[in-house]
Amino acid sequence: NAGVTQTPKFQVLKTGQSMTLQCAQDMNHNSMYWYRQDPGMGLRLIYYSASEGTTDKGEVPNGYNVSRLNKREFSLRLESAAPSQTSVYFCASLRETQYFGPGTRLLVL
Amino acid sequence: QKEVEQDPGPLSVPEGAIVSLNCTYSNSAFQYFMWYRQYSRKGPELLMYTYSSGNKEDGRFTAQVDKSSKYISLFIRDSQPSDSATYLCAMLSGGYNKLIFGAGTRLAVHP
Repeated sequence: NAGVTQTPKFQVLKTGQSMTLQCAQDMNHNSMYWYRQDPGMGLRLIYYSASEGTTDKGEVPNGYNVSRLNKREFSLRLESAAPSQTSVYFCASLRETQYFGPGTRLLVL
Repeated sequence: QKEVEQDPGPLSVPEGAIVSLNCTYSNSAFQYFMWYRQYSRKGPELLMYTYSSGNKEDGRFTAQVDKSSKYISLFIRDSQPSDSATYLCAMLSGGYNKLIFGAGTRLAVHP
């Protein structure tokens, strides 16, 4: 039982490049989330998926897209990365409370 | 005004001290209250979870919820250097599935 897993752990991008952050959970949770965490800003919700086949915007969705591929997997895509998207990204799943993945550190130059 | 307010600290205490971490909230619909601990360069991990007013104890940790005042606290007794981390409060409405987080309080326990 791995819980919530994320790949990659670390990534460096140039401005304008695209990439997809992968997240998977093996706890059979319906709801999954993507957050970004920046110093002094706490955790800010980017997108969430209440169930397979549905996605909704969170607090800071601009510049991101998501796909709920199936119940297990929820990916986050940056189509054209910007330096402002340098952050640590956490995926989480929810059943009564949230379980977090280990995070992806993204640096956009 | 943010839905959840949390003093970011940092809070620095000597080993063995009692630590009090606090959050206030404005949404009376919040029914579930959580505390997460986050070590540097790691994801948040659930520490305490409660859904009623009153106290809940787990070892050296006590979570306290006062719904009438919209105030929650986490107490750490006999604090240890290994408790040094950022502590985030989080809240959930009964009918929703989005957690609202505080900004986190950075705690340093020095030997």
